Amino acid sequence: EADIYQTPRYLVIGTGKKITLECSQTMGHDKMYWYQQDPGMELHLIHYSYGVNSTEKGDLSSESTVSRIRTEHFPLTLESARPSHTSQYLCASSEGKDYGYTFGSGTRLTVV
Amino acid sequence: EDQVTQSPEALRLQEGESSSLNCSYTVSGLRGLFWYRQDPGKGPEFLFTLYSAGEEKEKERLKATLTKKESFLHITAPKPEDSATYLCAVRPSGGGADGLTFGKGTHLIIQP
Repeated sequence: EADIYQTPRYLVIGTGKKITLECSQTMGHDKMYWYQQDPGMELHLIHYSYGVNSTEKGDLSSESTVSRIRTEHFPLTLESARPSHTSQYLCASSEGKDYGYTFGSGTRLTVV
Repeated sequence: EDQVTQSPEALRLQEGESSSLNCSYTVSGLRGLFWYRQDPGKGPEFLFTLYSAGEEKEKERLKATLTKKESFLHITAPKPEDSATYLCAVRPSGGGADGLTFGKGTHLIIQP
């Protein structure tokens, strides 16, 4: 049973549009993450947060931005979508450094 | 630079045919090694965390082991429902982004 929810599951959008991918968790975890995954490739960390009002960029450069106004909510925004942004975006949360992640089901984004 | 290499990239087994998946890693101090299962179109599902060489963990037909340079995921008498992509990830003990470094995964197919 999923305790971390991502919407939408699938999104096809035109170049230049602004989009927000939603991620919410009900476990009260302080740590949240956004990963990007292309088919057959590794997951790459693009953003993370240690708690409310904390956001950091990850290892993979990304044109997206994130916010963390509430513990349970960690949305990702693309101001102007491009075809190079086509990918799967996975949100995750964790109790702490010694614990595994709980992942959402992902948003598969296609920019045409 | 932290690195995770998984082999083989793909593995096809008959139902009941036991085998092992390999995860080799180089990391500047290991805080944890994680195994995940990922089904098509879904986010990764947490399986195990291993913290130190010699540690072993089991869950149903799966057993994970850890040495100083690699981890193995042993699958005993697999069933078709074990078909999935198995991901390995490491968390370094150093500072910096609190994220996991993932391998590309092993795509496992169990044929009835």
